[in-house]
Amino acid sequence: SQTIHQWPATLVQPVGSPLSLECTVEGTSNPNLYWYRQAAGRGLQLLFYSVGIGQISSEVPQNLSASRPQDRQFILSSKKLLLSDSGFYLCAWSGQGDSPLHFGNGTRLTVT
Amino acid sequence: GQQLNQSPQSMFIQEGEDVSMNCTSSSIFNTWLWYKQEPGEGPVLLIALYKAGELTSNGRLTAQFGITRKDSFLNISASIPSDVGIYFCAGSRRGSSNTGKLIFGQGTTLQVKP
Repeated sequence: SQTIHQWPATLVQPVGSPLSLECTVEGTSNPNLYWYRQAAGRGLQLLFYSVGIGQISSEVPQNLSASRPQDRQFILSSKKLLLSDSGFYLCAWSGQGDSPLHFGNGTRLTVT
Repeated sequence: GQQLNQSPQSMFIQEGEDVSMNCTSSSIFNTWLWYKQEPGEGPVLLIALYKAGELTSNGRLTAQFGITRKDSFLNISASIPSDVGIYFCAGSRRGSSNTGKLIFGQGTTLQVKP
């Protein structure tokens, strides 16, 4: 069966520090991968999605970037965090066709 | 851009009561999904709907894909305390890119009083 792992679960970082959140998927190949941000427990905003290795599409201009160095690995990064980057970050994957999204357990990021 | 209007925004009900929530859109969707999110966790898929008019059940949960393809509802029968959480609807329109990008509603927060 397919599983998705996302870490860390919580993170507290000072303003101006770098960020790296990692997500991996097991049990499937060539998944579509996504990074979402959720503010205040509701409202899922799509940040990035990827349909293959090295292919990244950005949905909103922001201080973050994403990379997909391997088929089942998706990384969310920032060179310098802003206070406004605080939030709950969710990684998700889907198969091809009409298969639904499956989410990881999220990372609670607090920028201080 | 595309938006989903989900209502109600929140519900506070007595254990044993039935619950109904819905999502509407000005655009047509090919897929409707319903998720539940508990505090500190990612959303978990409850029901997926792929055809207009489709009615699908998952235990005490029932969801329908509206005939117009612009709406969907989720019903929960005989609510229990563990039904507490935020329920999200989501829709997708499959184009040639086949990216599977979903549009999410703003969520319905459900609280159940024992």
